[in-house]
Amino acid sequence: DAGVTQSPTHLIKTRGQQVTLRCSPKSGHDTVSWYQQALGQGPQFIFQYYEEEERQRGNFPDRFSGHQFPNYSSELNVNALLLGDSALYLCASSRRDRGLLQPQHFGDGTRLSIL
Amino acid sequence: GQQLNQSPQSMFIQEGEDVSMNCTSSSIFNTWLWYKQDPGEGPVLLIALYKAGELTSNGRLTAQFGITRKDSFLNISASIPSDVGIYFCAGQLGIASKIIFGSGTRLSIRP
Repeated sequence: DAGVTQSPTHLIKTRGQQVTLRCSPKSGHDTVSWYQQALGQGPQFIFQYYEEEERQRGNFPDRFSGHQFPNYSSELNVNALLLGDSALYLCASSRRDRGLLQPQHFGDGTRLSIL
Repeated sequence: GQQLNQSPQSMFIQEGEDVSMNCTSSSIFNTWLWYKQDPGEGPVLLIALYKAGELTSNGRLTAQFGITRKDSFLNISASIPSDVGIYFCAGQLGIASKIIFGSGTRLSIRP
């Protein structure tokens, strides 16, 4: 049973470019959340998708957008990249069970470096 | 916004010793979570706590949900080399709300 998978594992971009990161949730999970983890810090919540809609959003600018597909997989898009966007981007999946969101399982992340 | 204060920031202990770390918040959480993150990997859930006062164990790990709902601690007994890593506490307000993470405790062990 595959866990949460993310691609690519590493990515190098330059300032001003756009990037798309991908996430496949754990089998049986329907909710996907994205986090940004800067070096030496804890993950910071970006947004959460459920039923193909953004349900919650953290304090991130509109340059960060996402999408969830009918098969529950998700993409994170970042436009107009800044040096400060360099970080590990983590995807976490979970499932709703009778209205309760079960604990989130994390993928190993995409390491994004901005030059 | 909500912040979690996690302490200590780092620990350097002898193999076999017990470890204790804690997390405090200025806000109430309804769920407390403890994760471990190894280099190059994502966080792995160790223990989830859902009720104030709850004490839960997972092998050598024990965690408690503070009565005030503003704090939690994690204990590791008889530490071993594979316990090395970064431990994060995390809080969650509602049943489907975002997770707020602490800044982590880096655990290093002398063999």
